[in-house]
Formats: sequence, C-alpha cells, structure tokens
Amino acid sequence: GDSVTQMEGPVTLSEEAFLTINCTYTATGYPSLFWYVQYPGEGLQLLLKATKADDKGSNKGFEATYRKETTSFHLEKGSVQVSDSAVYFCALTMYNNNDMRFGAGTRLTVKP
Amino acid sequence: DAGITQSPRHKVTETGTPVTLRCHQTENHRYMYWYRQDPGHGLRLIHYSYGVKDTDKGEVSDGYSVSRSKTEDFLLTLESATSSQTSVYFCAISYRTGNTGELFFGEGSRLTVL
Repeated sequence: GDSVTQMEGPVTLSEEAFLTINCTYTATGYPSLFWYVQYPGEGLQLLLKATKADDKGSNKGFEATYRKETTSFHLEKGSVQVSDSAVYFCALTMYNNNDMRFGAGTRLTVKP
Repeated sequence: DAGITQSPRHKVTETGTPVTLRCHQTENHRYMYWYRQDPGHGLRLIHYSYGVKDTDKGEVSDGYSVSRSKTEDFLLTLESATSSQTSVYFCAISYRTGNTGELFFGEGSRLTVL
C-alpha cells in the first residue's frame, strides 16, 4: 500500500546549521505530499505541502520539492534555530482518500 | 488555533475496562479523524467520519468503535481496553478530503492501559 519512509532520528544540530530530513514515498498514483511539525506537548500542525510533481512547498524558511523521478520530498532549512526543535513528520494522501499516511517522525534538537 | 478539544487529556485505566475519548470541534468541519501515535509508527488512522452518522474504518480499526451523532462531536470507544492500546490519541478535522485537505489536530489524549 501507499507509504512514507523518513530518515531515522534523532537529529541534533547547532544553531544556524543546515538541515535536511529525507523522505521517500511509495504510491500507486500521484499523491499529495506534506510535512507536519509537532512541538512538545502539542498536536501536529501543517508546515508545508506540495500537490503535484516539481511543486515546491515552503514556510517559515523550510522548503521541500516534490520529486516524482526519485519519489522524494526532502525537508530542508538553510539555518535552523533553537525554536525549530520538534518532531517532523512526512505524510502523503491520494486524491479523494481520507487515509493520510505518515512517516515515523524525525526528532530534531537544535542546540545554541 | 483550530477549535478542537479532546477529553480527557490523560487517562489511566485497567485492562478490560471500557474507555471513551471525546473530540469536540467548533469549526463545523465535515471530516473528523482519530489517529493513534506510537514510537516508530508515526500516526496511524483508526477511524474517520465524513458526516453525521457516516463513519469508516482506517488502517488500525480493530478493537475500536466510533460514533458521530452531531457535527461537532466524534467519539472513540475502546469496548475492552488492552495494553496494546496504550498510546497517544489524536483527533483531527478537515473541511475537505483528499489530496488538498489539510488536517488540523487536537492536542492529544494520552491513554495508559495497565
């Protein structure tokens, strides 16, 4: 079935370092792709999304590009801050499908 | 913040007892979802609803039932709780389905089954 695989964590970076969190997907058609973020003690919130190949989602300095040829949607940020410390989830859903599939999550810790 | 309230936020119960978690929304969204979050698994869909009295199963529905008698409330019931149902449960809502439907999540309900 449709699924998402994201890099194992945890990831620890120093402030202002470059961030990449890898995400690849398996799907029978053309899914929409999402990154959600979960801050401690909270529910998930949408960070960015892309609904078709070559689309780039961006928000709060984070970016991810929908690559159909490599079935990937890697999350990047040029300069992380302590406030970016959270768990990041890659997810996909198919058109008219109510079952959004999530990756296992990657915990990011940013140290001052 | 999306108007989603989950209750209770924390519950400890014993194996074999019934448990009901409540999700209440003030957004009048059509779609409501129950997920469970477990280490190494991310979030997995238990059940969802696409309208009053309209529900369907998700990936991990065994041992769970749901009901939606009003647009604003979506109840998740564990008829006889087991230790494998120890988890954090999240309710989510969406005003549309499918590939453009952003999910808005509640703050979660942590359930421990002893």
